Parts: sequence; C-alpha cells; structure tokens
Amino acid sequence: AQSVTQLDSHVSVSEGTPVLLRCNYSSSYSPSLFWYVQHPNKGLQLLLKYTSAATLVKGINGFEAEFKKSETSFHLTKPSAHMSDAAEYFCVVRSYSGGGADGLTFGKGTHLIIQP
Amino acid sequence: EAGVAQSPRYKIIEKRQSVAFWCNPISGHATLYWYQQILGQGPKLLIQFQNNGVVDDSQLPKDRFSAERLKGVDSTLKIQPAKLEDSAVYLCASRSTGYSGNTIYFGEGSWLTVV
Repeated sequence: AQSVTQLDSHVSVSEGTPVLLRCNYSSSYSPSLFWYVQHPNKGLQLLLKYTSAATLVKGINGFEAEFKKSETSFHLTKPSAHMSDAAEYFCVVRSYSGGGADGLTFGKGTHLIIQP
Repeated sequence: EAGVAQSPRYKIIEKRQSVAFWCNPISGHATLYWYQQILGQGPKLLIQFQNNGVVDDSQLPKDRFSAERLKGVDSTLKIQPAKLEDSAVYLCASRSTGYSGNTIYFGEGSWLTVV
C-alpha cells in the first residue's frame, strides 16, 4: 500500500524567508506524488506533481519539490514566503490497487503560518 | 473551462436525518471521486467511479452511505441516517482518462454539520 507522512503538523516562517515542508512516502513501485494547497474555506488546488519525469518539479506560485528515491522524500520548498502562502498543505500519493482504482492518499497536512 | 461543481455548499441536519450531495465533474471527465475531509485531517477516499461503474468503494460505509452516477456524468452522494461523526466536508473530484488525465481536479466541497 502507498502512504505519505508529513513530518510537521505546523511550520512557521517569516515573510521573505525560505519555506520547507517535509514529506516522506512509502510505495512498492515508482509513485505519482503531488502537493495540494487548501486555503481556509476553499477547495484543494494542485501545486505540483511528480510522475517519473524530472526529479525536480516546479509548480505554481514559486513552489518546487524534489523527488529523492534514495531518501523516499518529496519535500516542498519556496525561496521566499509571502503572506498569501498561509494555508494547509497536503502531500499526496496516488494509490493503484487494481481494477482501475487509483484514488489519492493524503497526508495529515502541514499548516503553514507566515509571520509578518 | 468550468471546474467541478458541487451543491449544496453548506448543510446542517439533525442526526438520523438524511442528506444528499450533488456533483457535476469537468466536462468529458470519465473518472469521478468522492472524498470525506474531517476537520483537521486530510481527505479520505470514499468511492471512485469510472463512467457509471464503481471502481473502488472499499472505504465507503455502506450501511449509511450510498453513491450513484447513473448516466456517467453527474453524481449524488447520500447519507442516511446521518451520525454526528459524519460532520465533514465532502469533496468531489474528477479527471480525464489517459496520460493527460493524471491531474485530479477538486470541487470546493459540501460542508455538512450534523447536530
């Protein structure tokens, strides 16, 4: 079975400083990995996705993530945080369980706080 | 391109009552999912449809939850009777088939409060 573990439930950074949100995955085969963001009372928005192409994936709003197979990690980074980045971030793995079933398995989320 | 549409956005019901949520996926998307997101947690898959057939309903509490997608387009998720622990956001998502369908798009969700 595929799973993801988000290592921090809360991360607080100052505006203009780098952001690092950590995620480890577990998968018996080459995974499809995603980062989604959820702003308060809003739907889930895809930030970026890894699907076995380039290991460094660039997403929207300046975010990027690096797939490291040796470390089973898929950490999300941004060079400079903005106040609008404050939200809940989910690391997600796609689970393939036969018969066409391919639902997403979400981590528990990391709440990103931006200090002015 | 229109996104995934869901209704109602908010619903408050008493326990043991019933409720239904509707979802209209992005046009042409054959695969549709329903997720449940309890406050403070990540979404959990309830059911997956491919066209009008069920692909995965292993995590759907079938004693009280049901879902259908009769014509392979829009879908309805029903809860009957509701319990307090069903209070959550119900998210509908869809994707197209093939490699270009790797991205799953989510609606804004239907917020359910059971009192």
